[in-house]
Amino acid sequence: QQPVQSPQAVILREGEDAVINCSSSKALYSVHWYRQKHGEAPVFLMILLKGGEQKGHEKISASFNEKKQQSSLYLTASQLSYSGTYFCGTGGMDSSYKLIFGSGTRLLVRP
Amino acid sequence: NAGVTQTPKFQVLKTGQSMTLQCAQDMNHNSMYWYRQDPGMGLRLIYYSASEGTTDKGEVPNGYNVSRLNKREFSLRLESAAPSQTSVYFCASSEVLGYGYTFGSGTRLTVV
Repeated sequence: QQPVQSPQAVILREGEDAVINCSSSKALYSVHWYRQKHGEAPVFLMILLKGGEQKGHEKISASFNEKKQQSSLYLTASQLSYSGTYFCGTGGMDSSYKLIFGSGTRLLVRP
Repeated sequence: NAGVTQTPKFQVLKTGQSMTLQCAQDMNHNSMYWYRQDPGMGLRLIYYSASEGTTDKGEVPNGYNVSRLNKREFSLRLESAAPSQTSVYFCASSEVLGYGYTFGSGTRLTVV
């Protein structure tokens, strides 16, 4: 039931764009996105709720396709500070608060 | 702004020993959670507390107990540590159950 994230890792040059995908096998009520830097705590980026909305946070935005049970995180004009591991956490229709996290996507932005 | 504070930051235990991980938040959040993070596994929910006075099991509760001491504090106890419990433990809180977690800095636990 763990959501599948892709790609597992990505390397970018500063200024390039990236898309990280999160796919679940079960019906979703919510999707959370977090970023974790090495040795630090995960930091909340955004939450998307059932309804297929798209939300934004600085140059980072996300979409949620509830029919496909998928969410995508879009990073545009990447900055060095975007480096880290990105996790999606999914909340099911029956227990949206019991987030199930994916195994993460490691992003490295190089100068 | 301390946010979520976890103690200790590092701990080494021998198999069979017990210990309590402490967590406190100063954001007046209602809900609190304990997760463990293992390489390649993401974060897995151990226990959560929807509000003061309530606790419930998550994905991987075996071998753990929790106490929601008051609104601020949520502790995790390992009664008889096993090497399989070697992990990084994160406490988190949220104002509303299931929305926008704030994580603590983690406790790195090694059981030998």
